[in-house]
Amino acid sequence: AQSVAQPEDQVNVAEGNPLTVKCTYSVSGNPYLFWYVQYPNRGLQFLLKYITGDNLVKGSYGFEAEFNKSQTSFHLKKPSALVSDSALYFCAVRPFTGGSYIPTFGRGTSLIVHP
Amino acid sequence: DSGVTQTPKHLITATGQRVTLRCSPRSGDLSVYWYQQSLDQGLQFLIQYYNGEERAKGNILERFSAQQFPDLHSELNLSSLELGDSALYFCASAPGGGLTEAFFGQGTRLTVV
Repeated sequence: AQSVAQPEDQVNVAEGNPLTVKCTYSVSGNPYLFWYVQYPNRGLQFLLKYITGDNLVKGSYGFEAEFNKSQTSFHLKKPSALVSDSALYFCAVRPFTGGSYIPTFGRGTSLIVHP
Repeated sequence: DSGVTQTPKHLITATGQRVTLRCSPRSGDLSVYWYQQSLDQGLQFLIQYYNGEERAKGNILERFSAQQFPDLHSELNLSSLELGDSALYFCASAPGGGLTEAFFGQGTRLTVV
């Protein structure tokens, strides 16, 4: 079975500081990893994905994520946080091949960026 | 705007009732996915339809059912509603059968009283 852990319910960061939202996963075989963002009263929006290749994936709004196979992690990062980045962030995983192609989502991490 | 339309945005109903949630996918997308989001359960996959056929089933209760019509819009039917069914229900669409980058609607907030 596949699973995702987002160990922090909430992350607080000051505007202009770097941010990291953590995600670890468990899946059979190679992973297909995603990050989504949810703003208040909105649906989830796709940020970025990792399939294969470069371990550093760049996505929308200046976000990037680093894939670490040995640590089974896919942490979301941004060099300089904005107040407008405050939202709920979801990590998701599915097997790259075989198994269920329906991603499993983490429980979400609330990012709060303080002015 | 994701291009996925869900109606209604809000729904308040009593226990024991039945409701229908509607989803129109992005133009050209063949897959529709339904998710339930609640505070205690997080984002739970319910069911997927692909080009009119059921493709995958998740944690969907027997009281819930869904279908996808020839024009590719989908409906999620929830019956014999209980207080615990109160949640945000999302529809997502994707071009193919395997979910890659999904496009989510704004959701239907269901409140059962």
